[in-house]
Amino acid sequence: GAVVSQHPSWVICKSGTSVKIECRSLDFQATTMFWYRQFPKQSLMLMATSNEGSKATYEQGVEKDKFLINHASLTLSTLTVTSAHPEDSSFYICSARDEGTEAFFGQGTRLTVV
Amino acid sequence: AQSVTQLGSHVSVSEGALVLLRCNYSSSVPPYLFWYVQYPNQGLQLLLKYTSAATLVKGINGFEAEFKKSETSFHLTKPSAHMSDAAEYFCAVSVGGTSYGKLTFGQGTILTVHP
Repeated sequence: GAVVSQHPSWVICKSGTSVKIECRSLDFQATTMFWYRQFPKQSLMLMATSNEGSKATYEQGVEKDKFLINHASLTLSTLTVTSAHPEDSSFYICSARDEGTEAFFGQGTRLTVV
Repeated sequence: AQSVTQLGSHVSVSEGALVLLRCNYSSSVPPYLFWYVQYPNQGLQLLLKYTSAATLVKGINGFEAEFKKSETSFHLTKPSAHMSDAAEYFCAVSVGGTSYGKLTFGQGTILTVHP
């Protein structure tokens, strides 16, 4: 099946700093990528949808100025958590799909803000 | 809008016993339904999906699910549990068109398998 790679797998950062998470489709073109967040012992919640070359569409309640999403190429989308705080600590997972295909998930990124 | 309800946040079975994980959905349009498995600190692995073809869907690792429109259900089953099946399972729903792949997840069910 198609492979989606997320990097880093885990990251620890200081409060107030920014963190960038990469999501790459390795063997297909990802016209659409989705970013989810999963708090401990909770389900996955969609944060935003990004289409290559367009601005991301954010779900209600997700701060677009805090969670910057860039989808500049057909194989790469990035999520930048700006001015991170402890409450942003979570598991962030991306998925990617091409037109007409299902979405494939990355392995996730564990973010811990201290 | 779509929603998914997974009945039972925890299910415990003995090795070799039947596994039944329940999922009910709500959708105003014909849904696409998925079951994923997640191991600790890992991403999601697709077990199976319903995309309006056969109502009985067979997936990987011996799992299967049946789409029942009248009951708005998509329960996941496996005839005989294995220790390696212990994980968290998520049911999810999507719609078609440009929103295909945009998933709404259920709350998850943690499956424990006892020897």
